[in-house]
Amino acid sequence: DSGVTQTPKHLITATGQRVTLRCSPRSGDLSVYWYQQSLDQGLQFLIQYYNGEERAKGNILERFSAQQFPDLHSELNLSSLELGDSALYFCASSAQGVLGNTIYFGEGSWLTVV
Amino acid sequence: EDKVVQSPLSLVVHEGDTVTLNCSYEVTNFRSLLWYKQEKKAPTFLFMLTSSGIEKKSGRLSSILDKKELFSILNITATQTGDSAVYLCAGGEGAGSYQLTFGKGTKLSVIP
Repeated sequence: DSGVTQTPKHLITATGQRVTLRCSPRSGDLSVYWYQQSLDQGLQFLIQYYNGEERAKGNILERFSAQQFPDLHSELNLSSLELGDSALYFCASSAQGVLGNTIYFGEGSWLTVV
Repeated sequence: EDKVVQSPLSLVVHEGDTVTLNCSYEVTNFRSLLWYKQEKKAPTFLFMLTSSGIEKKSGRLSSILDKKELFSILNITATQTGDSAVYLCAGGEGAGSYQLTFGKGTKLSVIP
């Protein structure tokens, strides 16, 4: 158990809908990261937050957004869902956001868009 | 664009064999190379390498980084069926953020 908690574990929704994935980082970790893993693309970095502020942005679609709250938990919002958004979404956390701090992954949220 | 390439994509070995997994990277502002093992869901951390030529070891697993040639290897000796997994390599970009660029992984199958 990495200490990173994600909910829900599984989610099935229809195209065009909106979902929210939630993440609680390890105790004391200030950085939260979101990754998407699909069969053809592998693990893709989406976005990083550090202590409530956006720190880095990767291959995140405009239909997706995220935020980190004062208690350091984070949410990833996915809207206008398409079939291709079906994937495993990981949250990860680290103590800071710089070299020397290992990133630990949660168990992931399986999103299926039908 | 940052890129991490792993080889082979898949590998089947017998218990007791030694395997070497390869990872080459092109990462802007490269700071570290990480190895993860992914069995069912969450990638679990194995190693983080930041300096060239210094081997990191954990039990039967070891890894080394070559920053001049931009590659890393992960060795597993005396493989066991429990080593069956996808092994992921990731290049860590520093400079205030810690964005990881992952390779597609090497799927290792260890058969009795």
